[in-house]
Amino acid sequence: AQTVTQSQPEMSVQEAETVTLSCTYDTSENNYYLFWYKQPPSRQMILVIRQEAYKQQNATENRFSVNFQKAAKSFSLKISDSQLGDTAMYFCAFMKLLGGTSYGKLTFGQGTILTVHP
Amino acid sequence: NAGVMQNPRHLVRRRGQEARLRCSPMKGHSHVYWYRQLPEEGLKFMVYLQKENIIDESGMPKERFSAEFPKEGPSILRIQQVVRGDSAAYFCASSPGSRERDEQFFGPGTRLTVL
Repeated sequence: AQTVTQSQPEMSVQEAETVTLSCTYDTSENNYYLFWYKQPPSRQMILVIRQEAYKQQNATENRFSVNFQKAAKSFSLKISDSQLGDTAMYFCAFMKLLGGTSYGKLTFGQGTILTVHP
Repeated sequence: NAGVMQNPRHLVRRRGQEARLRCSPMKGHSHVYWYRQLPEEGLKFMVYLQKENIIDESGMPKERFSAEFPKEGPSILRIQQVVRGDSAAYFCASSPGSRERDEQFFGPGTRLTVL
């Protein structure tokens, strides 16, 4: 079974600064995806960024980037130029590929509450 | 293209009653997932369905919980004889089931409160 661990229950950052959220995972699979989801106070789950395990290049989406270290099973999220709207719970998630066109469930970490201060 | 829809958004039930949660996936999506989020915790997988088939129900409690995704209509998560420990937010997600677009899109969730 896969496990995802987020060791930072809470983080805070000043507006316009950079913050990094940590995530480690444990799996024996070689083919998988990793995701970061954001859950603002509205509780809507919003995909922030994803990384395919077979790609060595780290994914980036505007102000969001990841540091994917496959051997260390580490997948951190860096938020640059933090904005007040980034305040939310952030979840790291793992998806094992089932093969063919079927895709599997997401295994989530415990979450990190990020607060951006003005 | 409308997103994933869930209703009701809030549901209050007394112990012993039944709760029925509905999920309409995004247009063109044939895969549905249900997750449960207890207070102050992450989402936990419950069940994965395709049209008329349960693919993986390894996260479903063995009793009182059932799920279906009929050929026509929304996916239904049914909880019989609810207990206080069932109080949680229940999220549905859908995906197209395509290798090229594997992203799961989440609905707004149904918050179940058991009195």
